[in-house]
Amino acid sequence: EPEVTQTPSHQVTQMGQEVILRCVPISNHLYFYWYRQILGQKVEFLVSFYNNEISEKSEIFDDQFSVERPDGSNFTLKIRSTKLEDSAMYFCASSAGTPQPQHFGDGTRLSIL
Amino acid sequence: AQTVTQSQPEMSVQEAETVTLSCTYDTSENNYYLFWYKQPPSRQMILVIRQEAYKQQNATENRFSVNFQKAAKSFSLKISDSQLGDTAMYFCAFMNGKTSGSRLTFGEGTQLTVNP
Repeated sequence: EPEVTQTPSHQVTQMGQEVILRCVPISNHLYFYWYRQILGQKVEFLVSFYNNEISEKSEIFDDQFSVERPDGSNFTLKIRSTKLEDSAMYFCASSAGTPQPQHFGDGTRLSIL
Repeated sequence: AQTVTQSQPEMSVQEAETVTLSCTYDTSENNYYLFWYKQPPSRQMILVIRQEAYKQQNATENRFSVNFQKAAKSFSLKISDSQLGDTAMYFCAFMNGKTSGSRLTFGEGTQLTVNP
């Protein structure tokens, strides 16, 4: 069964540095998402992306964050000038459309030191 | 804005028994979808079951079924014949059906432990 893949599985970064989290969505999917889960808390929506542009973003997704689909397969989340509170599990998801379910990757654990 | 509430932070059940996890939500929308996702210790997010709000019939996937009460805005998950592998955090989630590519709004989660 096709799946969403995320790399790396764990990223350790110094505070203030930039980090790029990578995702390869399921190949025939058209909608892409990023969510984050701070340890012990609920999963929170960050951003959705369709047709090469952001379709919706949450209040969390401020100027520190950006997303990009640099080629036909990858979908990236860039976090500039990381802060301690950016430490979380970041999940990428994709769907064929609405109301198709969103399929999640295994997540990238981001640790900011 | 939609909200999803799971009032049971933790639950436990004996292997082979049945357990029900509760979820309530609040929305003014009429067209929406509800999901249960499972997150085992490995922290993957795995889709368990989906319910369309316009369908009166409750969704079923093998040992997993839901009790969808639209008027009460309740969406509980029943796991029959519980197995050790069902031990996980379970999240209820809401999706607005009006907009393509809508976000999922998650509840706080219920940690389910299946005991041998």
